[in-house]
Amino acid sequence: AQSVAQPEDQVNVAEGNPLTVKCTYSVSGNPYLFWYVQYPNRGLQFLLKYITGDNLVKGSYGFEAEFNKSQTSFHLKKPSALVSDSALYFCAVRDGSSGGYNKLIFGAGTRLAVHP
Amino acid sequence: DTGVSQDPRHKITKRGQNVTFRCDPISEHNRLYWYRQTLGQGPEFLTYFQNEAQLEKSRLLSDRFSAERPKGSFSTLEIQRTEQGDSAMYLCASSPRTGYTEAFFGQGTRLTVV
Repeated sequence: AQSVAQPEDQVNVAEGNPLTVKCTYSVSGNPYLFWYVQYPNRGLQFLLKYITGDNLVKGSYGFEAEFNKSQTSFHLKKPSALVSDSALYFCAVRDGSSGGYNKLIFGAGTRLAVHP
Repeated sequence: DTGVSQDPRHKITKRGQNVTFRCDPISEHNRLYWYRQTLGQGPEFLTYFQNEAQLEKSRLLSDRFSAERPKGSFSTLEIQRTEQGDSAMYLCASSPRTGYTEAFFGQGTRLTVV
């Protein structure tokens, strides 16, 4: 079965420190992977995606993600966290059975709390 | 604002009533999606339109739910005879037809059934 796992419900980090939000996936075929961020009572904002190519993907707001095929992981990273990064982060994978459209399977989300 | 627009942002309804939500996608996007997000969970796929054609419906979309996209522009999602379990955030997203681009989400409609 296709799935996305975000093993941490919450990640706490001090401002200025590096952050990592973990994601592992299981999908048939080549994975198309995405990270979205959600602020309170808001929709999802796209951060970055991996389709093919370099395993290190750079995205919005200084975020990047590392694709690791052997570990089936796509961890989100940022070298220096900001208090304003505090939000809910979702990893998603395109359903391999979809006809090329964005039928996404989301993880349950990880709440990132950045402390001053 | 050229993003995905959803209306209303919030809806409180009594159990058993019908509700309808509207989504206006980004104008050049011919793919439109509806997702449902319950508290503490990630969004779950409900249905997909390519232009006016509804090409996929999740089993989550019971017969009380119906979605339309007349003329391939805006879309509506109607829930008949609402139940408390329908309380959730309903998210609409759109994407272009070509390429492997991401979906762009609206701000959602939060439904509370009392």
